[in-house]
Amino acid sequence: EVQLLESGGGLVQPGGSLRLSCAASGFTFSDYAMSWVRQTPGKGLEWVSVISGGGGSTYYADSVKGRFTISRDNSKNTLYLQMKSLRADDTAVYYCAKGHRVVVAGTNLDYWGQGTLVTVSS
Amino acid sequence: DIQMTQSPSSLSASVGDRVTITCRASQTINIYLNWYQQKPGKAPKLLIYAPSSLQSGVPSRFSGSGSETDFTLTISSLQREDFATYYCQQSYTTPHTFGQGTKLEIK
Repeated sequence: EVQLLESGGGLVQPGGSLRLSCAASGFTFSDYAMSWVRQTPGKGLEWVSVISGGGGSTYYADSVKGRFTISRDNSKNTLYLQMKSLRADDTAVYYCAKGHRVVVAGTNLDYWGQGTLVTVSS
Repeated sequence: DIQMTQSPSSLSASVGDRVTITCRASQTINIYLNWYQQKPGKAPKLLIYAPSSLQSGVPSRFSGSGSETDFTLTISSLQREDFATYYCQQSYTTPHTFGQGTKLEIK
Protein backbone atom coordinates (compact mmCIF):
# COMPACT_ATOMS: atom_id res chain seq x y z
CA GLU A 1 0.00 0.00 0.00
CA VAL A 2 1.37 3.39 -1.00
CA GLN A 3 1.69 5.76 1.94
CA LEU A 4 2.94 9.34 2.05
CA LEU A 5 3.34 11.01 5.42
CA GLU A 6 4.20 14.70 5.61
CA SER A 7 5.72 16.35 8.65
CA GLY A 8 7.46 19.55 9.63
CA GLY A 9 4.62 22.03 9.37
CA GLY A 10 3.86 24.58 12.04
CA LEU A 11 3.82 28.24 12.94
CA VAL A 12 6.73 30.36 11.70
CA GLN A 13 7.33 34.10 11.66
CA PRO A 14 7.56 36.04 8.40
CA GLY A 15 11.08 35.78 7.03
CA GLY A 16 11.63 32.47 8.78
CA SER A 17 12.47 29.03 7.49
CA LEU A 18 10.92 25.60 7.70
CA ARG A 19 11.70 22.19 6.23
CA LEU A 20 8.91 19.83 5.30
CA SER A 21 9.48 16.09 4.97
CA CYS A 22 7.43 13.42 3.24
CA ALA A 23 8.16 9.81 4.19
CA ALA A 24 7.16 7.38 1.44
CA SER A 25 6.47 3.67 1.60
CA GLY A 26 4.82 0.95 -0.43
CA PHE A 27 6.60 1.63 -3.73
CA THR A 28 10.10 1.95 -5.19
CA PHE A 29 10.64 5.59 -4.31
CA SER A 30 13.42 6.33 -6.81
CA ASP A 31 11.26 5.15 -9.74
CA TYR A 32 8.85 8.08 -9.47
CA ALA A 33 8.85 11.85 -9.68
CA MET A 34 7.49 13.58 -6.58
CA SER A 35 5.70 16.89 -6.20
CA TRP A 36 4.60 19.41 -3.61
CA VAL A 37 1.19 21.06 -3.95
CA ARG A 38 -0.28 23.58 -1.52
CA GLN A 39 -3.76 24.79 -0.69
CA THR A 40 -4.68 27.93 1.19
CA PRO A 41 -7.56 27.14 3.55
CA GLY A 42 -10.81 27.41 1.65
CA LYS A 43 -9.08 28.03 -1.68
CA GLY A 44 -7.86 26.04 -4.66
CA LEU A 45 -4.80 23.92 -5.32
CA GLU A 46 -1.47 25.51 -6.23
CA TRP A 47 1.33 23.47 -7.74
CA VAL A 48 4.61 24.28 -5.96
CA SER A 49 7.45 22.07 -7.16
CA VAL A 50 8.45 18.75 -8.71
CA ILE A 51 11.58 16.59 -8.70
CA SER A 52 12.41 13.70 -10.99
CA GLY A 53 12.97 10.19 -9.67
CA GLY A 54 16.73 10.48 -9.66
CA GLY A 55 16.66 13.98 -8.28
CA GLY A 56 18.50 15.52 -11.21
CA SER A 57 15.63 17.68 -12.45
CA THR A 58 13.76 20.17 -10.31
CA TYR A 59 11.15 22.78 -11.17
CA TYR A 60 9.34 25.46 -9.19
CA ALA A 61 6.36 27.77 -9.33
CA ASP A 62 7.37 31.39 -9.86
CA SER A 63 5.84 32.26 -6.50
CA VAL A 64 8.43 30.16 -4.63
CA LYS A 65 11.41 30.17 -6.98
CA GLY A 66 14.58 31.24 -5.19
CA ARG A 67 13.01 30.71 -1.76
CA PHE A 68 12.02 27.02 -1.76
CA THR A 69 14.22 24.02 -2.56
CA ILE A 70 12.88 20.56 -3.31
CA SER A 71 15.13 17.56 -2.73
CA ARG A 72 14.92 13.85 -2.10
CA ASP A 73 16.94 11.17 -0.37
CA ASN A 74 16.23 7.95 -2.22
CA SER A 75 18.15 5.94 0.36
CA LYS A 76 15.69 7.14 3.01
CA ASN A 77 12.56 7.17 0.79
CA THR A 78 12.01 10.77 1.82
CA LEU A 79 11.06 13.95 -0.04
CA TYR A 80 11.87 17.39 1.33
CA LEU A 81 10.84 20.98 0.83
CA GLN A 82 13.17 23.57 2.34
CA MET A 83 11.33 26.86 2.67
CA LYS A 84 13.10 30.16 3.36
CA SER A 85 12.07 33.82 3.49
CA LEU A 86 8.55 32.73 4.30
CA ARG A 87 5.70 35.18 3.75
CA ALA A 88 2.14 35.34 4.98
CA ASP A 89 0.91 34.21 1.58
CA ASP A 90 2.85 30.97 1.95
CA THR A 91 0.35 29.96 4.63
CA ALA A 92 -1.29 26.77 3.37
CA VAL A 93 -1.66 23.05 3.72
CA TYR A 94 1.26 21.46 1.91
CA TYR A 95 0.71 18.09 0.25
CA CYS A 96 3.35 15.78 -1.15
CA ALA A 97 2.21 13.70 -4.07
CA LYS A 98 3.64 10.81 -6.04
CA GLY A 99 4.00 11.01 -9.80
CA HIS A 100 3.18 8.03 -11.96
CA ARG A 101 6.46 8.05 -13.84
CA VAL A 102 10.13 8.76 -13.18
CA VAL A 103 10.30 11.86 -15.35
CA VAL A 104 8.53 15.14 -14.71
CA ALA A 105 6.85 15.71 -18.06
CA GLY A 106 3.39 14.31 -18.45
CA THR A 107 3.14 12.96 -14.93
CA ASN A 108 -0.06 12.80 -12.95
CA LEU A 109 -0.29 12.74 -9.15
CA ASP A 110 -1.67 9.33 -8.28
CA TYR A 111 -1.15 9.29 -4.53
CA TRP A 112 -1.24 12.14 -2.03
CA GLY A 113 -0.30 12.56 1.59
CA GLN A 114 -2.70 13.94 4.16
CA GLY A 115 -1.01 17.35 4.17
CA THR A 116 0.81 19.45 6.75
CA LEU A 117 -0.25 22.97 7.71
CA VAL A 118 2.25 25.81 7.48
CA THR A 119 1.20 29.07 9.09
CA VAL A 120 3.32 32.16 8.55
CA SER A 121 2.39 34.80 11.07
CA SER A 122 3.92 37.08 13.68
CA ASP B 1 2.82 29.85 -17.78
CA ILE B 2 -0.18 27.90 -19.02
CA GLN B 3 -3.46 29.02 -17.48
CA MET B 4 -6.21 26.49 -16.87
CA THR B 5 -9.77 27.77 -16.76
CA GLN B 6 -12.60 25.60 -15.51
CA SER B 7 -16.29 26.18 -16.01
CA PRO B 8 -18.54 26.42 -14.27
CA SER B 9 -16.97 27.46 -10.94
CA SER B 10 -19.91 25.93 -9.13
CA LEU B 11 -22.74 23.68 -10.10
CA SER B 12 -25.90 22.42 -8.42
CA ALA B 13 -27.22 19.05 -9.53
CA SER B 14 -29.34 16.16 -8.33
CA VAL B 15 -28.55 12.52 -7.76
CA GLY B 16 -28.88 10.74 -11.09
CA ASP B 17 -28.07 13.80 -13.21
CA ARG B 18 -25.46 13.81 -15.96
CA VAL B 19 -22.87 16.51 -15.31
CA THR B 20 -20.12 17.95 -17.48
CA ILE B 21 -17.26 20.17 -16.33
CA THR B 22 -15.00 21.82 -18.85
CA CYS B 23 -11.36 22.85 -18.64
CA ARG B 24 -9.62 25.08 -21.15
CA ALA B 25 -5.86 25.56 -21.43
CA SER B 26 -4.39 28.88 -22.57
CA GLN B 27 -2.18 26.97 -25.04
CA THR B 28 -1.95 23.43 -26.31
CA ILE B 29 -1.14 20.78 -23.71
CA ASN B 30 -1.47 17.77 -26.02
CA ILE B 31 -3.16 15.08 -23.89
CA TYR B 32 -1.48 15.93 -20.58
CA LEU B 33 -4.59 16.77 -18.61
CA ASN B 34 -5.53 15.27 -15.27
CA TRP B 35 -8.71 15.48 -13.19
CA TYR B 36 -8.86 15.30 -9.39
CA GLN B 37 -11.69 15.12 -6.89
CA GLN B 38 -11.38 16.68 -3.45
CA LYS B 39 -13.77 16.35 -0.54
CA PRO B 40 -13.69 18.71 2.45
CA GLY B 41 -10.76 18.08 4.78
CA LYS B 42 -9.29 15.43 2.51
CA ALA B 43 -6.42 15.26 0.05
CA PRO B 44 -7.24 15.34 -3.66
CA LYS B 45 -7.77 12.04 -5.44
CA LEU B 46 -6.75 11.32 -9.03
CA LEU B 47 -9.77 10.41 -11.17
CA ILE B 48 -8.72 10.60 -14.80
CA TYR B 49 -5.50 11.29 -16.68
CA ALA B 50 -4.16 11.75 -20.20
CA PRO B 51 -7.12 12.83 -20.55
CA SER B 52 -9.47 9.83 -20.84
CA SER B 53 -7.76 7.11 -18.82
CA LEU B 54 -9.62 6.10 -15.68
CA GLN B 55 -7.46 5.74 -12.59
CA SER B 56 -7.67 2.31 -10.98
CA GLY B 57 -10.63 1.99 -8.63
CA VAL B 58 -12.53 4.99 -10.00
CA PRO B 59 -16.14 4.20 -10.98
CA SER B 60 -16.89 3.98 -14.68
CA ARG B 61 -19.52 6.73 -14.42
CA PHE B 62 -16.56 9.13 -14.59
CA SER B 63 -15.12 9.83 -18.03
CA GLY B 64 -12.83 12.35 -19.62
CA SER B 65 -12.19 13.57 -23.13
CA GLY B 66 -10.48 16.27 -25.14
CA SER B 67 -7.14 17.25 -26.56
CA GLU B 68 -4.95 20.26 -27.24
CA THR B 69 -6.76 23.01 -25.32
CA ASP B 70 -10.30 21.82 -24.55
CA PHE B 71 -11.20 19.05 -22.14
CA THR B 72 -14.26 17.73 -20.35
CA LEU B 73 -15.01 15.63 -17.30
CA THR B 74 -18.37 13.89 -17.37
CA ILE B 75 -20.20 12.10 -14.58
CA SER B 76 -22.88 10.02 -16.24
CA SER B 77 -25.20 9.54 -13.26
CA LEU B 78 -24.39 11.50 -10.12
CA GLN B 79 -24.17 9.63 -6.88
CA ARG B 80 -24.31 11.23 -3.45
CA GLU B 81 -20.60 10.58 -2.89
CA ASP B 82 -19.70 12.57 -6.02
CA PHE B 83 -20.55 15.91 -4.46
CA ALA B 84 -17.12 17.46 -4.09
CA THR B 85 -14.77 19.93 -5.76
CA TYR B 86 -13.11 18.95 -9.03
CA TYR B 87 -9.82 20.28 -10.37
CA CYS B 88 -8.11 19.91 -13.71
CA GLN B 89 -4.32 20.08 -14.00
CA GLN B 90 -1.96 20.22 -16.94
CA SER B 91 1.36 18.37 -16.80
CA TYR B 92 2.55 19.23 -20.30
CA THR B 93 5.05 21.78 -19.06
CA THR B 94 6.08 23.21 -15.72
CA PRO B 95 4.58 24.84 -13.75
CA HIS B 96 1.96 22.08 -13.71
CA THR B 97 -0.92 24.45 -13.17
CA PHE B 98 -4.34 23.61 -11.77
CA GLY B 99 -7.68 25.05 -12.70
CA GLN B 100 -9.51 27.07 -10.09
CA GLY B 101 -11.87 24.24 -9.24
CA THR B 102 -15.53 23.40 -9.77
CA LYS B 103 -17.64 22.88 -6.67
CA LEU B 104 -20.42 20.37 -7.29
CA GLU B 105 -23.27 20.78 -4.83
CA ILE B 106 -26.51 18.98 -4.19
CA LYS B 107 -29.59 20.71 -5.58
